[in-house]
Amino acid sequence: AQSVAQPEDQVNVAEGNPLTVKCTYSVSGNPYLFWYVQYPNRGLQFLLKYITGDNLVKGSYGFEAEFNKSQTSFHLKKPSALVSDSALYFCAVSSWVAGSYQLTFGKGTKLSVIP
Amino acid sequence: EAGVTQSPTHLIKTRGQQATLRCSPISGHTSVYWYQQALGLGLQFLLWYDEGEERNRGNFPPRFSGRQFPNYSSELNVNALELEDSALYLCASSYNQLTGSNEQFFGPGTRLTVL
Repeated sequence: AQSVAQPEDQVNVAEGNPLTVKCTYSVSGNPYLFWYVQYPNRGLQFLLKYITGDNLVKGSYGFEAEFNKSQTSFHLKKPSALVSDSALYFCAVSSWVAGSYQLTFGKGTKLSVIP
Repeated sequence: EAGVTQSPTHLIKTRGQQATLRCSPISGHTSVYWYQQALGLGLQFLLWYDEGEERNRGNFPPRFSGRQFPNYSSELNVNALELEDSALYLCASSYNQLTGSNEQFFGPGTRLTVL
């Protein structure tokens, strides 16, 4: 079975500082990895994905993520945090499970950017 | 381009009743997914429909069911409602998942409250 772990329920960072939201995964085959963001009372918005190729993936709103196969990690990063980045962030992995692709989400990390 | 739409926004039912939630995917998307987001439990995968067929099902009892119509819109039905069914139900759509690498686009959700 595949799984995603987001080890931090909450991350606090000062505005202007770099931010990292951690994600590790477990799959039996090659993974497709995704990051989504959820603002209060809203659905999820797609940020970026890793399919293959360059391990550093750039996405929306200045976010990027680094795929590390040996550490089975896909941490989300941004060089300079904004107050408007405060939201709930979900990491997800897609892989072939029991005859179809299945997307599994982590439990989410609440990011608070402090002015 | 219109995004994924869901109706109703809010739904209040009593225990034992049935709830019907509706979703319209982005034009051109053939896959529709349903998720349950209960407080503290993250996103739990419910159902995946593609081309009118149920492709995968999460670990939920049979009283959670749905269907996909010829225009690719979808309906989620929850029978014999229980208090713990209270949650935000999110619908997502994507191009077909033959490769598993297509990102999903989410609607704003339906907030179901069971009294």
